[in-house]
Amino acid sequence: QVQLQESGPGLVKPSQTLSLTCIVSGGSVTSGGYHWTWIRQPAGKGLEWIGRIYTSGSTTYNPSLRSRVTVSFDTSKNQFSLKVNSVTAADTAIYYCARLSRGATIVDNWGQGTLVTVSS
Amino acid sequence: QSALAQPASVSGSPGQSITLSCTGTSSDIGGSNYVSWYQQHPGKAPKLIIYEVNNRPSGVSNRFSGSKSGNTASLIISGLQAEDEADYYCSSYTTSSTLVFGGGTKVTIL
Repeated sequence: QVQLQESGPGLVKPSQTLSLTCIVSGGSVTSGGYHWTWIRQPAGKGLEWIGRIYTSGSTTYNPSLRSRVTVSFDTSKNQFSLKVNSVTAADTAIYYCARLSRGATIVDNWGQGTLVTVSS
Repeated sequence: QSALAQPASVSGSPGQSITLSCTGTSSDIGGSNYVSWYQQHPGKAPKLIIYEVNNRPSGVSNRFSGSKSGNTASLIISGLQAEDEADYYCSSYTTSSTLVFGGGTKVTIL
């Protein structure tokens, strides 16, 4: 059973870069034909899909975030990462890493989520 | 891409059936059979309960069912139980190969 765990700073200053890592255990991020994704949820609000990366390394992003977001692999550590540039208070949210299956159409495995607050 | 539209709240008594709606456009729900539903209890990660409009993952109660007509998808919860009190999110794969979620519906058991 694949397990995912987010890690990274819980507090980021405005205009800086938010960086999170998702550690994957029980499976390889570069095999199995899965996509790996980031999703966020501001407090008391709905889910927002951020972007995904395929085992080949190809990426797809939410058009509204594309200019500020990068998702990448660290295959040596079996993990993938998220970077969000030029953050503002609107980027404050719980960030989930997750696995997509069935052709990237469903989220079938979630991390527990990590709260990131943007504040000076 | 715009979030799918869901009612903020729906309530029902134990044993009753309720229907949650999720409205999109021809670029997402209307153009895709990849509509999913997720259940989220407070402080927990969401859990997949319906995929591809009306399929249940193994282990999900058959009290949950889904349907779609045009640009609107629906989740039906029958025989409401206390444990069904949660937030529910719809999701659709889009014609641009992205994912979009709804704003969520809070289900309250009366």
